[in-house]
Amino acid sequence: RKEVEQDPGPFNVPEGATVAFNCTYSNSASQSFFWYRQDCRKEPKLLMSVYSSGNEDGRFTAQLNRASQYISLLIRDSKLSDSATYLCVVNRGNKLVFGAGTILRVKS
Amino acid sequence: GAVVSQHPSRVICKSGTSVKIECRSLDFQATTMFWYRQFPKQSLMLMATSNEGSKATYEQGVEKDKFLINHASLTLSTLTVTSAHPEDSSFYICSAQGAGNEKLFFGSGTQLSVL
Repeated sequence: RKEVEQDPGPFNVPEGATVAFNCTYSNSASQSFFWYRQDCRKEPKLLMSVYSSGNEDGRFTAQLNRASQYISLLIRDSKLSDSATYLCVVNRGNKLVFGAGTILRVKS
Repeated sequence: GAVVSQHPSRVICKSGTSVKIECRSLDFQATTMFWYRQFPKQSLMLMATSNEGSKATYEQGVEKDKFLINHASLTLSTLTVTSAHPEDSSFYICSAQGAGNEKLFFGSGTQLSVL
């Protein structure tokens, strides 16, 4: 079993749609959780950290369920520029473990 | 924000040659640098962790004699792919972390193509 699992997608959605991505992780000792965004052949960029109480940043909302070892990302009012691969990331000690990513394609 | 510079961005080389990739932190001291490899449609896989002035710690399955990592200063780490073969063709990315700071800053990546 992979340490971080994500549905690879792709998710094809129209502009303005709401889309949700899920992620599960296997290491119950993980304490830090993130969503990164990666464009093709570019470095990943931090989208947001994920906190136990859930957190929101504009159109993006992240949730964490420690009991189920489950992380989610909700994107509201999708824009064309949101098209990218979204990486779920958790820590293992001082290292980050990346999921393989979920592809989002937003179409006009 | 902090910037990490990675060079070259793209390398095409013949099989058997060695390739050096540099990763520099431009406005902070990177006590720890991480090197990742990413094959198409796969996740970033951590190859090794290097701390300034000490030997790198390699992940299981990564050959330390094949992938030489040097972290001689607080602003520079290098990854040398020795005797590269076509199966080494991949996207290599570095990331840097300052002391006591969990946030990572990524280089822009190097696409290596071995013919």
